Amino acid sequence: KNEVEQSPQNLTAQEGEFITINCSYSVGISALHWLQQHPGGGIVSLFMLSSGKKKHGRLIATINIQEKHSSLHITASHPRDSAVYICAVPPRATNKLIFGTGTLLAVQP
Amino acid sequence: DTGVSQDPRHKITKRGQNVTFRCDPISEHNRLYWYRQTLGQGPEFLTYFQNEAQLEKSRLLSDRFSAERPKGSFSTLEIQRTEQGDSAMYLCASSLAGTGRDLYGYTFGSGTRLTVV
Repeated sequence: KNEVEQSPQNLTAQEGEFITINCSYSVGISALHWLQQHPGGGIVSLFMLSSGKKKHGRLIATINIQEKHSSLHITASHPRDSAVYICAVPPRATNKLIFGTGTLLAVQP
Repeated sequence: DTGVSQDPRHKITKRGQNVTFRCDPISEHNRLYWYRQTLGQGPEFLTYFQNEAQLEKSRLLSDRFSAERPKGSFSTLEIQRTEQGDSAMYLCASSLAGTGRDLYGYTFGSGTRLTVV
């Protein structure tokens, strides 16, 4: 079992839909990262959060440390949101990130 | 500052050749990380530096791999005697750390895509 699991692995949505991507992890952490990667492109950091909820534009990230679960929501999705969304955590006592395998999102017009 | 820069963007090399990649982090960031990503997979940790000190190195990093950050600024990753299995995207990231923890998250470079033929 991977230390960081994401669901779904693939997601197709229609433009305007509300999207949720889930991340569960099994290690103790101090923070969780949500990242975005476009095909063939580099990685962009969306959020780093250690509790509660953060919002940036149409993106919302939440985390429940006790349940070891985080969600990334996209409101009013748009085709330009199509990308791979990756959850990553730095386990305690280490400074490296362990990455989930990502969720491939395709938003159709 | 334009973010984290990696050079080259693409590298095609013949098996057995040596290659070197460069990463220029955000200037005020004290941590620099190297990750490797193969097709369809999430990135895997290779090594990281705090200033000029290499503090952790993955078991994925065989003796053919070496990384340096000589003055605590830019870093190089060298692969000697490349093998086809080394073909991957090599990602560099930097962060500002305080009291052991990353303060604001990571900034990633665009990566160097290595193809070994």
